[in-house]
Amino acid sequence: ETGVTQSPTHLIKTRGQQVTLRCSSQSGHNTVSWYQQALGQGPQFIFQYYREEENGRGNFPPRFSGLQFPNYSSELNVNALELDDSALYLCASSLGGDRALNTQYFGPGTRLTVL
Amino acid sequence: AQTVTQSQPEMSVQEAETVTLSCTYDTSESDYYLFWYKQPPSRQMILVIRQEAYKQQNATENRFSVNFQKAAKSFSLKISDSQLGDAAMYFCAYRRAFNPGNQFYFGTGTSLTVIP
Repeated sequence: ETGVTQSPTHLIKTRGQQVTLRCSSQSGHNTVSWYQQALGQGPQFIFQYYREEENGRGNFPPRFSGLQFPNYSSELNVNALELDDSALYLCASSLGGDRALNTQYFGPGTRLTVL
Repeated sequence: AQTVTQSQPEMSVQEAETVTLSCTYDTSESDYYLFWYKQPPSRQMILVIRQEAYKQQNATENRFSVNFQKAAKSFSLKISDSQLGDAAMYFCAYRRAFNPGNQFYFGTGTSLTVIP
C-alpha cells in the first residue's frame, strides 16, 4: 500500500470540456508529479510540484495546468479537452530535497475518456 | 534529452523459471538513478527495484536483481523463480540525481506473461 490516492477512478468527458483530477500524496511527501499514460505506452511526464511551486514541466501545452496545496495534495486541470487526451493519468509522490529518498510512489490513476 | 528503450514488447516465462527483461538508456550525465516498476492490470505502478549509478554493486530485492552496465548504458531486470503474480507490464525508468529534474523518463514497457 503506497498511500497515494487519486480521484476519480474513471471519468468520461466530451471534446472542449474541462476536467480536474485530484491526488493525495503519501504522508510526509512534499513533491507530486503527474504523468499521462496513453494505451500501450509508458508514462509521459506532465509536470511536478515541489512545496506548492511548479518544479519542472514536460512537453505538454498550457491547457494542462496544476496546483499543489499546503497539505501537498495536488490537482491536474485540463482545459479544452481533445480526443488525444484520453489516457490514464498517474500521480506520483516523493520526498524532494533529499536524493536518497526521491523514489516516486504512484497512485492507481484516473482513466479519462474524451468522446 | 534522456531516452529509455525497452526492446522487448512481450516476454513469457514458465512458472519457477528465470526471465531477463532488457533496458537501455541514453544520457550524458554521470549521476542518476534507474528503476524498474511493475504495473499489473490493476494499473498501480509498483516499485520493483532501484539502482544508483554511482554504486557498482548490482541491486537485488529477493527474487529480483539487476545487471547494471554503466558503460554500456544497460540495465536489465532478472526475475528468478517466476510466479504467477509476476505477470504484469514492466517499465524501466531513469531519473537525474539532482533537482530540478526529479522527472522520470520511462520506457515503453515489456508485457510479461507467466505460464503455469
